[in-house]
Amino acid sequence: SYVLTQPPSVSVAPGKTARITCGGNNIGSKSVHWYQQKPGQAPVLVIYYDSDRPSGIPERFSGSNSGNTATLTISRVEAGDEADYYCQVWDSSSDRGVFGGGTKLTVL
Amino acid sequence: QVTLKESGPALVKPTQTLTLTCTFSGFSLSTSGMRVSWIRQPPGKALEWLARIDWDDDKFYSTSLKTRLTISKDTSKNQVVLTMTNMDPVDTATYYCARMSGSGDRGYFDYWGQGTLVTVSS
Repeated sequence: SYVLTQPPSVSVAPGKTARITCGGNNIGSKSVHWYQQKPGQAPVLVIYYDSDRPSGIPERFSGSNSGNTATLTISRVEAGDEADYYCQVWDSSSDRGVFGGGTKLTVL
Repeated sequence: QVTLKESGPALVKPTQTLTLTCTFSGFSLSTSGMRVSWIRQPPGKALEWLARIDWDDDKFYSTSLKTRLTISKDTSKNQVVLTMTNMDPVDTATYYCARMSGSGDRGYFDYWGQGTLVTVSS
C-alpha cells in the first residue's frame, strides 16, 4: 500500500517560513492535499491539488509537489498557525485514501 | 452551505458492532460526482481513512479493515451509515465523516463533520 512520510515536528519562529514535507514514491505524479488540525477541532483543508488554496485560506499557505516530495510552505508564520498538518492523496492503484502521519508545527 | 454531523454511541463494548450515522446538508449524494468518506483518529494519533461511498453506490474500504466495515447511504434522508463489527479497544477514536470533492483519483476532503468520539471498553 502507498505510504506518506512526514516529519513528526517542525519548529519555526514567528515571521519566518515553515516548510513541511510529505514523502512518497513518485508522489509528484499524484495530487496532494493538506489539512490543518488544531487541538479538539476537525481538520481543515488548506491546500488541494498540490498548490490550490480554498477560499478563506491566507495566501501565506502554499504548496508544491515534485519527484518524491510534496511540500507545504507557510510564510510569515503566526502563532495561530500552530497546529498539526496532514498530507493526503488518493491512491488510484488501490482505490484507497491515504494520510501522512502528521507534522506538529510549533511556533517558537 | 455544506454541513456534516456524525452521530452514534459514545461507548461500545468489545466484540460489539458500532453503527455511526453521518447526516449532511448542502449537497445530495444522488448528484453525479458526490462522495462521502469516513475517517478516524485515535487519541493523539494520525488520521486514518476508512471508507468511501459514491453517488452511484460504488464503495471503497480500507484494506486492513474491509472485512469489518460496511458503508451505505440513504439518499432520501441525506445520510451515510458506517458499521464496524467486532469492536476492540484499539478502535477507540474520533470518527469523522467528510465530503470528498475532486475527480476520483485526485479526491480531497473539503468539508468535515465535527467528529464523534467512540470509546471501546467493557
